[in-house]
Amino acid sequence: GAVVSQHPSWVICKSGTSVKIECRSLDFQATTMFWYRQFPKQSLMLMATSNEGSKATYEQGVEKDKFLINHASLTLSTLTVTSAHPEDSSFYICSAPRAESSGANVLTFGAGSRLTVL
Amino acid sequence: AQKVTQAQTEISVVEKEDVTLDCVYETRDTTYYLFWYKQPPSGELVFLIRRNSFDEQNEISGRYSWNFQKSTSSFNFTITASQVVDSAVYFCALSERGYSTLTFGKGTMLLVSP
Repeated sequence: GAVVSQHPSWVICKSGTSVKIECRSLDFQATTMFWYRQFPKQSLMLMATSNEGSKATYEQGVEKDKFLINHASLTLSTLTVTSAHPEDSSFYICSAPRAESSGANVLTFGAGSRLTVL
Repeated sequence: AQKVTQAQTEISVVEKEDVTLDCVYETRDTTYYLFWYKQPPSGELVFLIRRNSFDEQNEISGRYSWNFQKSTSSFNFTITASQVVDSAVYFCALSERGYSTLTFGKGTMLLVSP
């Protein structure tokens, strides 16, 4: 089945530093990947859509300069949290759609990356 | 605009009890997909089921069953004979017209005690 690998699974960093999170589709190609953010005991909120070969599409209220997204290849998307601050501490989850014969896209999620900014 | 409502924030049951998690959705599209995901304490989202808007057949998979009713815009999830390993947060989600982006409900935390 489709597998999405996310790395690192957890990271602790100092305020002001930048952190990069990788999302890879291991056994299928993904021209599009999605980045979600989840605060403790809350739902997943879509941050942005990562597009291979073009700019990411950000949801309203998400700072483009703060959350840099790069979709370098058909199997890799990266999210860089720049100049991280404690309020950026969260659980970040990526996902990639895999087309089924029915025409529906089924999202496969990575295991998530827990970011703690001190 | 699409919306998913999971009114139950947290449910606690004792092992072997049956439990139903409610999900109500709103959408203007006639073609859409509904999903249930499980998020155990580890954090990884586990896909449970996808149902398209044209298929109102209820589905049973082991101890899990789903009741999709378009008339009430609901897609409820029942766990029969719950087990401690069922303890997790369960999310209902909606995707319109086959688009990949999902709108999630706020989730229901299920606690199953021995």
